[in-house]
Amino acid sequence: GNSVTQMQGQVTLSEEEFLFINCTYSTTGYPTLFWYVQYPGEGPQLLLKVTTANNKGSSRGFEATYDKGTTSFHLQKASVQESDSAVYYCVLGGSNTNKVVFGTGTRLQVLP
Amino acid sequence: EAAVTQSPRSKVAVTGGKVTLSCHQTNNHDYMYWYRQDTGHGLRLIHYSYVADSTEKGDIPDGYKASRPSQENFSLILELASLSQTAVYFCASRRGLSNERLFFGHGTKLSVL
Repeated sequence: GNSVTQMQGQVTLSEEEFLFINCTYSTTGYPTLFWYVQYPGEGPQLLLKVTTANNKGSSRGFEATYDKGTTSFHLQKASVQESDSAVYYCVLGGSNTNKVVFGTGTRLQVLP
Repeated sequence: EAAVTQSPRSKVAVTGGKVTLSCHQTNNHDYMYWYRQDTGHGLRLIHYSYVADSTEKGDIPDGYKASRPSQENFSLILELASLSQTAVYFCASRRGLSNERLFFGHGTKLSVL
C-alpha cells in the first residue's frame, strides 16, 4: 500500500532563515503529493499540491517539488517568518485511491 | 471555499459511555472522512464514506462506528468510550478521488475520563 515517511518531528529556525522539510513516499500508482499546514486550534489546510514530478508548486512563498527517482518530496521557503510557525504535513494521494496518507508532521517554530 | 462544520468543539465523556461526533458539509462533496490526531502519529483515518448510507473502514476502525445518513452529514460513534480514545478528531470532505484537496473542520477535542 501507499506510505509516507516524514522524519523531522521538530524544526526551530530564526526569522529569515531557510526552511527545508523532506519526505519520502512509496506507491504503486501515480502519486499526487500535497503539503498541508495546521495552525493551533484549526484543522489542516492545503498549502501546496504537486501532480507532476520535477514540477514546482508554489504558494505564499513556499515551494514544493517531488522526485520520482528518489521517491522524495520536499517543502522549502527562502525566508521564514514568525507567522509560519505551525505543523506541516506531507501527504500522499493519487487518482487510483479513495484515501490519502499523512506523514507524522513537522512542527516548525520560528523565533523572532 | 468549502465549509465543514464539526460539533461539538470539545467534549468530556466517561469511560463506557456513548459518544457521537457530528460533521456537516455544505459543498456537495461526495467523500467524507473521519481522522484522529495524536501527538507523534499525525492524522490517522478511522472511517470514510463516498456515498450516503454507506461507510468504509479506514486504517484504525476498531472501537468506532460511522454513519452517513445524507450527503451532507457524517457521524462518528463511540459506543463504549475508552481512555485510549482521548484525542482530537477531524472531519474532512473532498469532491473526488485522492488527487483532490481535502477540506477540514476545526476539530473536536474529546477527553474520556
